[in-house]
Parts: sequence; structure tokens; C-alpha cells
Amino acid sequence: AQTVTQSQPEMSVQEAETVTLSCTYDTSESNYYLFWYKQPPSRQMILVIRQEAYKQQNATENRFSVNFQKAAKSFSLKISDSQLGDTAMYFCAFKRGAQKLVFGQGTRLTINP
Amino acid sequence: DAGVIQSPRHEVTEMGQEVTLRCKPISGHDYLFWYRQTMMRGLELLIYFNNNVPIDDSGMPEDRFSAKMPNASFSTLKIQPSEPRDSAVYFCASSLPGSGNQPQHFGDGTRLSIL
Repeated sequence: AQTVTQSQPEMSVQEAETVTLSCTYDTSESNYYLFWYKQPPSRQMILVIRQEAYKQQNATENRFSVNFQKAAKSFSLKISDSQLGDTAMYFCAFKRGAQKLVFGQGTRLTINP
Repeated sequence: DAGVIQSPRHEVTEMGQEVTLRCKPISGHDYLFWYRQTMMRGLELLIYFNNNVPIDDSGMPEDRFSAKMPNASFSTLKIQPSEPRDSAVYFCASSLPGSGNQPQHFGDGTRLSIL
């Protein structure tokens, strides 16, 4: 069974700083998909970024980028120029095919003014 | 475009009562997922459907839980009888068909409190 581990329960940075959230996963599959979701206090689950395992190039979405290390089974999220609105729980998730998402336990990120 | 719509947003009821949660997926999405979020267990899949057919219900905790998808635009998750340990946020999500890179789009969730 696949597992996803986020080793940082909480993080806190100042506005405009760069922050990196860690995620590791365990799978024997070679083809899979990885996602980062954001859950603000409003409780919505918002897709931040996604990565296909067969792609070597790291995904980027504006201020958000990932560092995908397939051999190490690592998928970290970097947020540049952090903003107050980035304050949220961040979940790393793994998916094989059109199946369920397996989530990590989440990292609570606080951006301080 | 409308996103995934869940109702009710909040539900408070007494132990033993029947609870029905509702979900309308995004039009054209043929995968529908029900997740539960608790502090202890995090986010976990309960069941998912493809083209209205249940594919994997291994996450359904016990016989008190049932889910249906009578058509492509509506699904229900029912708990009968409800227990305090069922208190959680229940999310519905939908996705397009594809090889797996299609993301799941989540509704706003239903916060369920069983007294």
C-alpha cells in the first residue's frame, strides 16, 4: 500500500520569505501522480500543483514549484514570496491511475505579517 | 463553471438518527469520490464511483454507511444509525476520465456533528 509522509506538522515564516514543505512517499509503482492541496480555514480543498512521475521537469505554478526526486521518493513544495493568503494546511497526495488520493497528514503553514 | 456542490454545509444531529449527505459533481466528470477528514485519521477515502458504478468501497467503515449514485449528477452518503464517532468533515470530489493526471476537484465539505 502507498503511504505519504509529511514530517513537518507546523511551519511559520515571515511574509515575503520562501518556505519549503517536505513530502516523502512509498510505492513500488513506476507510473503515478503527485499533488499538493491547500486547505485554508474556510476548509476548501484547493489544488496547488501536480506532477506526473514520468516527467523529469519539476512543475511550477506562479509562486509555487516542486522539487521532485523520483529515486528518493521525495516531492517538496516551495512557496516563493509568501503571502498572508498562503496561510493554510497543505496536504501532499499520491495517486495511481484514476484511483483514490492517498494523503499525508498535512503541514500547518502560517505566514506572519 | 459550478464546482462540486455539497449539502448541507453543516449538520448537527443526535446519536441514532439517520444522516444523508448530498453531492452534485461537476458536469462531465465521471469519477466521484467520498472522503472523510478527522483529526485522528486525516483524509481517507470512503468510496468512489465511475460512471455511477461503485468501484472501491473498501474504506466504508461499516454497514451503517451506504453510498449511492443514481445518476451522473447526484450522489448520497447515508449513515444509519449515526454515532458520535462519525463526527467529521465529509468531502465529495469529482474528476474527469483520463490516465490519472486529472486532478480531483473537491466540494466545500459537510461538517457533521453527532451528539
